[in-house]
Amino acid sequence: AQTVTQSQPEMSVQEAETVTLSCTYDTSESDYYLFWYKQPPSRQMILVIRQEAYKQQNATENRFSVNFQKAAKSFSLKISDSQLGDAAMYFCAYKPGGSEKLVFGKGTKLTVNP
Amino acid sequence: NAGVTQTPKFRILKIGQSMTLQCTQDMNHNYMYWYRQDPGMGLKLIYYSVGAGITDKGEVPNGYNVSRSTTEDFPLRLELAAPSQTSVYFCASSVTGNTIYFGEGSWLTVV
Repeated sequence: AQTVTQSQPEMSVQEAETVTLSCTYDTSESDYYLFWYKQPPSRQMILVIRQEAYKQQNATENRFSVNFQKAAKSFSLKISDSQLGDAAMYFCAYKPGGSEKLVFGKGTKLTVNP
Repeated sequence: NAGVTQTPKFRILKIGQSMTLQCTQDMNHNYMYWYRQDPGMGLKLIYYSVGAGITDKGEVPNGYNVSRSTTEDFPLRLELAAPSQTSVYFCASSVTGNTIYFGEGSWLTVV
């Protein structure tokens, strides 16, 4: 079964510092997609970044970047220059290329300290 | 830009009652989904649709029904509500089936 593991239930970072959230996944598929979603207290799910497994280059969106290690099945999210508005739950998610089932991890609660 | 719109945002149901969560999207996305999120957990797929007239079960379909008569609308029906269905429900859509965009969620409490 495909699983997504986020080993850090909670993380904290000082404003303007950098933080890395961990995610590992288990799959035998070669074609898949990985995502990080942000869920603020409003509970809305906001797409932060996505990575196609066939791309070797790590995805980047402004202050957000990933470290995709396909062999290790690792997909960590780095947030640079952390801002108070980054405080939220962050969910890592996996989707096989031929399936509509998005598998989520249990989330990491990020606190940003002023 | 309305995106994915869900109604109602909050609802309290009594055990055994039925209700429909409405979902509509204005992005002409062919894929639509219903997820539920229990406290402290990630989202789990209830049902999905790859186009009008086509629906399929996800991980946790029991106790729910869906229909997809138009591209825009994907209502979720709860029959005979049970306390185990207390959750936050998210409707979502995508154009390719890869990047999925979510609505703002509907809080449902069954008492």
